[in-house]
Amino acid sequence: GAVVSQHPSRVICKSGTSVKIECRSLDFQATTMFWYRQFPKQSLMLMATSNEGSKATYEQGVEKDKFLINHASLTLSTLTVTSAHPEDSSFYICSAAGRRYEQYFGPGTRLTVT
Amino acid sequence: DAKTTQPPSMDCAEGRAANLPCNHSTISGNEYVYWYRQIHSQGPQYIIHGLKNNETNEMASLIITEDRKSSTLILPHATLRDTAVYYCILNNAGNMLTFGGGTRLMVKP
Repeated sequence: GAVVSQHPSRVICKSGTSVKIECRSLDFQATTMFWYRQFPKQSLMLMATSNEGSKATYEQGVEKDKFLINHASLTLSTLTVTSAHPEDSSFYICSAAGRRYEQYFGPGTRLTVT
Repeated sequence: DAKTTQPPSMDCAEGRAANLPCNHSTISGNEYVYWYRQIHSQGPQYIIHGLKNNETNEMASLIITEDRKSSTLILPHATLRDTAVYYCILNNAGNMLTFGGGTRLMVKP
């Protein structure tokens, strides 16, 4: 299957700082990428849909000014968590849509805000 | 609203077939049935998807009932590494995925 990478895999930051997470599709071009968040023992929750060259579409309850998404190319989308707080600590996962609309997921980024 | 219903957990003996059911009685005509799995602390892994015909690939088989109201994912020879949460998701080609609770499959030696 297609490969999607995320960087970093794990990050610890202080409250009030910003953190950028990168999502790359390594062997295919993805017009659409998705960002999910997963809290312990819960299922994945979609945060936003990212389309190359246009503004992201955010799910209800997700603050667009706090979770900045940039999809500047067909192989890269970034999620920046601004002014992070401990409650933003979570497992952030991106996915990229393939040609047959199947989604390929990255390995996830575990964010811990202290 | 995940639109699918799966048992929360199942056990399977190593080497045996694992049959994971999914009910989707409100499926619409243009919705595909997708299966993903998530091994602990990893991103979900695509397994298989289908519209109305049964599908098979190197990982699994997908059996969809004729009325499309339910489906079964079959792992023919389960191994310990197949222990994961399995998600059955309906998707209208290109739309975002809505994850429900999934089925936690425990493969036991």
